[in-house]
Amino acid sequence: GAGVSQSPRYKVAKRGQDVALRCDPISGHVSLFWYQQALGQGPEFLTYFQNEAQLDKSGLPSDRFFAERPEGSVSTLKIQRTQQEDSAVYLCASSPTQDQPQHFGDGTRLSIL
Amino acid sequence: QQPVQSPQAVILREGEDAVINCSSSKALYSVHWYRQKHGEAPVFLMILLKGGEQKGHDKISASFNEKKQQSSLYLTASQLSYSGTYFCGTPGSSNTGKLIFGQGTTLQVKP
Repeated sequence: GAGVSQSPRYKVAKRGQDVALRCDPISGHVSLFWYQQALGQGPEFLTYFQNEAQLDKSGLPSDRFFAERPEGSVSTLKIQRTQQEDSAVYLCASSPTQDQPQHFGDGTRLSIL
Repeated sequence: QQPVQSPQAVILREGEDAVINCSSSKALYSVHWYRQKHGEAPVFLMILLKGGEQKGHDKISASFNEKKQQSSLYLTASQLSYSGTYFCGTPGSSNTGKLIFGQGTTLQVKP
């Protein structure tokens, strides 16, 4: 079966540009998480969806970060007016319910020039 | 708070054993273990849900000491494929299933 799919795998943007990162979770998974991973660090939580409802966005670093999951499946993480400190790997994970193992995608490596 | 992992890095020869520790300053109700290879997704290894629980598959096992607020991952007779960075994750304060990950332990197994 298909795992969590993220696109693009790599994204290079100039400072100030907007970017959109896509996550296609495992079919039927209710819970979807976004994490940010800096080089040499563990993943850091950004936001959580239960179906289409965004129940926790406490980890979003600023109001430039916005996530949505309008139909309860595919999710998009958008970053507006990108800054150099936004450079990181953005990981998406899904799970059948919130307490079950999370399955991660390969991530999108974002580089801001 | 972020759990603390030790050691930060380990270098082994094939066949040797290793232990990776994960400690928390707050009460733990579960610990999740993942392995991540360079440029790849973190891969789920196991969850420990109860104090004193031990789990394992193949030659990788883990224990969870609720009282000491720590978990340990045991890699026995290591194989080259065990190389990677190991992360422990603990539930965040909100009841959403989000995980707070440690900083990782890099394991390198040499032939």
